[in-house]
Amino acid sequence: DAGVTQSPTHLIKTRGQQVTLRCSPKSGHDTVSWYQQALGQGPQFIFQYYEEEERQRGNFPDRFSGHQFPNYSSELNVNALLLGDSALYLCASSLGVLPGQGARDYGYTFGSGTRLTVV
Amino acid sequence: AQKVTQAQTEISVVEKEDVTLDCVYETRDTTYYLFWYKQPPSGELVFLIRRNSFDEQNEISGRYSWNFQKSTSSFNFTITASQVVDSAVYFCALSVVWNYGGSQGNLIFGKGTKLSVKP
Repeated sequence: DAGVTQSPTHLIKTRGQQVTLRCSPKSGHDTVSWYQQALGQGPQFIFQYYEEEERQRGNFPDRFSGHQFPNYSSELNVNALLLGDSALYLCASSLGVLPGQGARDYGYTFGSGTRLTVV
Repeated sequence: AQKVTQAQTEISVVEKEDVTLDCVYETRDTTYYLFWYKQPPSGELVFLIRRNSFDEQNEISGRYSWNFQKSTSSFNFTITASQVVDSAVYFCALSVVWNYGGSQGNLIFGKGTKLSVKP
């Protein structure tokens, strides 16, 4: 049973460039969330995609955008990169609707992340 | 607004010592979920436990145990007889239920506690 797959694992970009990160969810999951984790901090929620639409968004500027495909995979795009965008970007997959209180497969499964460095 | 506080930034213990990681949360929602994740140097967030707000029973899983107390808004994590392999950053997180047919809300993370277990 494949977990969450993210690509690439590492990336170096120049300030002002654009970047696309990719995520394939765990088998059976239909929802993808993206998080940004700066060094020494906890992950911060960027947005969540369900049924190919952005369902919820955290406090991130419009430079951060995303997409979800019919196979539930997702992309995170960041335009006009800033030095402060350097971080570990984590993708998490989940079920879009809670299956019930007794369900055990509940919560989020995270990928290993993409380490983005902006120089 | 929701918030998670992990006051301990770093903890260092010697192998076989017991260690408790503290977590205090804030939310006005009556239905919410609490999580603990482990993040080894590889970067992936490894799910350890999820509890819902209606279940205050403590839980034990091998050397791990969790103490959930709504009266103090705390969800502490204890590792008994620590091992070198327990060295990692541990995150406590909170999520509430969105108004999307009961879907899972995003995770709000604390800043994490770095645990170092020395041989």
